[in-house]
Amino acid sequence: AQKVTQAQTEISVVEKEDVTLDCVYETRDTTYYLFWYKQPPSGELVFLIRRNSFDEQNEISGRYSWNFQKSTSSFNFTITASQVVDSAVYFCALSEAFQGAQKLVFGQGTRLTINP
Amino acid sequence: EPEVTQTPSHQVTQMGQEVILRCVPISNHLYFYWYRQILGQKVEFLVSFYNNEISEKSEIFDDQFSVERPDGSNFTLKIRSTKLEDSAMYFCASSDGTPVSGANVLTFGAGSRLTVL
Repeated sequence: AQKVTQAQTEISVVEKEDVTLDCVYETRDTTYYLFWYKQPPSGELVFLIRRNSFDEQNEISGRYSWNFQKSTSSFNFTITASQVVDSAVYFCALSEAFQGAQKLVFGQGTRLTINP
Repeated sequence: EPEVTQTPSHQVTQMGQEVILRCVPISNHLYFYWYRQILGQKVEFLVSFYNNEISEKSEIFDDQFSVERPDGSNFTLKIRSTKLEDSAMYFCASSDGTPVSGANVLTFGAGSRLTVL
């Protein structure tokens, strides 16, 4: 069975600090896909990134970076120089499928609060 | 940018009443989904729908739930007789299903908050 664990329930930092959100996953599949979604206070789910299990290269997008390590089954998300607008709940998710229907298994989420 | 739209944004209903939540997926998407988030908890898969039939459903999606694509644009979730524990945010999503890098990512709507009294 697939499982995603986000051990950090809540994180609070001061603006401009760097912060890392942890995600650990379990799956028996050799091919799988990992995601991060952001849920701002308005409630919608905003897609941030998808990685496939064959690509362990770290990815950077502006202030956001992702570290995928298959050896530890982790897919961590770092925000550099955090801003108040980064305050949200962040979900890590896992899927087996590349094509066709996508059944995402979500973690419990990490509530990130950036204080001015 | 194309988006998934959901109505209503918030519905309050009495226990035992029927509720229909509506969604307009992205027009060229082929796969449609409902997910649920009980307040403060994680997002859970309910059902996926393709080619006018359910492709997969979770154990949460029991006989009280049904989905339909009544026309070319709408996708609905019906809860036949609501229970208190059905109170949650319901998210509709759609994807194009193509095995192309960067594609087939779920786009979620803003959610419909259901409160059962």
